[in-house]
Amino acid sequence: DTGVSQDPRHKITKRGQNVTFRCDPISEHNRLYWYRQTLGQGPEFLTYFQNEAQLEKSRLLSDRFSAERPKGSFSTLEIQRTEQGDSAMYLCASSYLGQGRYNEQFFGPGTRLTVL
Amino acid sequence: GQNIDQPTEMTATEGAIVQINCTYQTSGFNGLFWYQQHAGEAPTFLSYNVLDGLEEKGRFSSFLSRSKGYSYLLLKELQMKDSASYLCAGNTGGFKTIFGAGTRLFVKA
Repeated sequence: DTGVSQDPRHKITKRGQNVTFRCDPISEHNRLYWYRQTLGQGPEFLTYFQNEAQLEKSRLLSDRFSAERPKGSFSTLEIQRTEQGDSAMYLCASSYLGQGRYNEQFFGPGTRLTVL
Repeated sequence: GQNIDQPTEMTATEGAIVQINCTYQTSGFNGLFWYQQHAGEAPTFLSYNVLDGLEEKGRFSSFLSRSKGYSYLLLKELQMKDSASYLCAGNTGGFKTIFGAGTRLFVKA
């Protein structure tokens, strides 16, 4: 399977705990995005990387959220001191930004986080 | 801001044609995407418009008017499997993508 993969697919945690999610993009893609999606809403932008550089982070994110893409390949999203409001589907997407391309994004299956 | 507005829900009959509208603030976007998302699944790409006009791709077509901040997705010969959410999304100059809340389409027999 050469698509975007995410791990874990489901995570249940207690309020106050830290969680980390992993995303493996399509191998030749240089851009990687993280989104959060709640029921009945579209994906909400969190952050994105071009290669290993984090280019933008949503102002909606608190300091409890951090993302890395250390070698320009896989990425991790960490949430510290989770709150019940963090319960959502966390989606990762990747794209290849090059000449003549328009940034079509390919999404992974998502990690569903439930904070008790 | 870069608000995107779409109807929340639509219902159409199998075999019919349906048009899903999307309006957005004209500043900041250099192209419009449409994605399809089935319940419990990730979004999948349908179309992208950067120039004004209609782009046709099989049963699906997408239209853009940049001056009016308006786009629509046209679905022809509706099938039951087309029941899904349809997400309009704007591409910013920095290639960040802003999604609307989506339109849930119900196709009935």
